[in-house]
Amino acid sequence: NAGVMQNPRHLVRRRGQEARLRCSPMKGHSHVYWYRQLPEEGLKFMVYLQKENIIDESGMPKERFSAEFPKEGPSILRIQQVVRGDSAAYFCASSPPNKGTTEAFFGQGTRLTVV
Amino acid sequence: SQQGEEDPQALSIQEGENATMNCSYKTSINNLQWYRQNSGRGLVHLILIRSNEREKHSGRLRVTLDTSKKSSSLLITASRAADTASYFCATVFITGANSKLTFGKGITLSVRP
Repeated sequence: NAGVMQNPRHLVRRRGQEARLRCSPMKGHSHVYWYRQLPEEGLKFMVYLQKENIIDESGMPKERFSAEFPKEGPSILRIQQVVRGDSAAYFCASSPPNKGTTEAFFGQGTRLTVV
Repeated sequence: SQQGEEDPQALSIQEGENATMNCSYKTSINNLQWYRQNSGRGLVHLILIRSNEREKHSGRLRVTLDTSKKSSSLLITASRAADTASYFCATVFITGANSKLTFGKGITLSVRP
């Protein structure tokens, strides 16, 4: 059972381009979380998804950011028209469908650099 | 808003000493978890303590939870240089289908050989 897979590991985008970050959860996991981490800071919650549903997107900016977790395939975090301030490490975590009573498993992150 | 607040922000100790890290939170929780992050890597789960538990052990780790004070502590005994990392507490509050994990800003632990 492979762990949480995120790709790409590093992504460089010019200002105004789109960034697509992918996260494949562990097998059997139906919950996915996305977090953003700036250097020397903690993880800031962005969005929590279950298959085909957004449960909580209170941490995600209203504009330019969107997330999905389709029935088939990975979860995607999409950032349109990127700006320098979007540069950060984006982590995805997954957990099994038992309502938050177990640990979350993290991917290695995608480091986005906007130039 | 961030749920957990860890202190101290940074801790430097000698190998063999014990390291104590604290976490305070603001609202009700179902459980509290501690994670570790090595530089540039993803987080690794260390231990989970439920709201009806007061203390839990796992190897050299000891976690306590005081729900009346809304605080938790993580003790690492007999520290090793390899324990050098950032440590985060995370709280889970389950409402309906929502069981999101909310992290604090973390504690940077340095263990000197």
